[in-house]
Amino acid sequence: GQQVMQIPQYQHVQEGEDFTTYCNSSTTLSNIQWYKQRPGGHPVFLIQLVKSGEVKKQKRLTFQFGEAKKNSSLHITATQTTDVGTYFCAGLEGGSNYKLTFGKGTLLTVNP
Amino acid sequence: EADIYQTPRYLVIGTGKKITLECSQTMGHDKMYWYQQDPGMELHLIHYSYGVNSTEKGDLSSESTVSRIRTEHFPLTLESARPSHTSQYLCASGLLEETQYFGPGTRLLVL
Repeated sequence: GQQVMQIPQYQHVQEGEDFTTYCNSSTTLSNIQWYKQRPGGHPVFLIQLVKSGEVKKQKRLTFQFGEAKKNSSLHITATQTTDVGTYFCAGLEGGSNYKLTFGKGTLLTVNP
Repeated sequence: EADIYQTPRYLVIGTGKKITLECSQTMGHDKMYWYQQDPGMELHLIHYSYGVNSTEKGDLSSESTVSRIRTEHFPLTLESARPSHTSQYLCASGLLEETQYFGPGTRLLVL
């Protein structure tokens, strides 16, 4: 079955440093989604990428979808303490399955 | 903010008890999901449904069961709770190819 690998598992940064998490799928995806889960909270949808090579920005967050639609990345510029949490990617298989597979997540901690 | 609700939010219960975790959404979504998540860990899909009278087991084997009699309601039942069931249970709903909206979760502690 489809596998979605996410690295790194953990990342600790000083406030102001940049942060990147990477996501790789074993199969070509229909789309990829990113979620953020604050400590003690539930996952909240951030963004969805659909097109090959797509790049989207949300303030300090930049999301990319690879040309082959099998990998993606989330980059945060100049992290802040409010960025703390676990970031999950989730790949959607196409066809008749439409199954969303979550990566294991990257836990980001920020030292003020 | 999505309209998806879970009750109870917290539950402490003794071994052997039967429990039902409730999940309701008012968005008319056909697809609903149950995930199990230990603190700081990955999401494990345990059940999902594509619509009324449709239920499927997820990737993680679970002793729980689900039902989908109404579009808006997707309860999860444990016939006999055990300490190994201690975890957070997250319900989510969504449309085909669309995002998943998560409820606030139920934190279950089985003594």
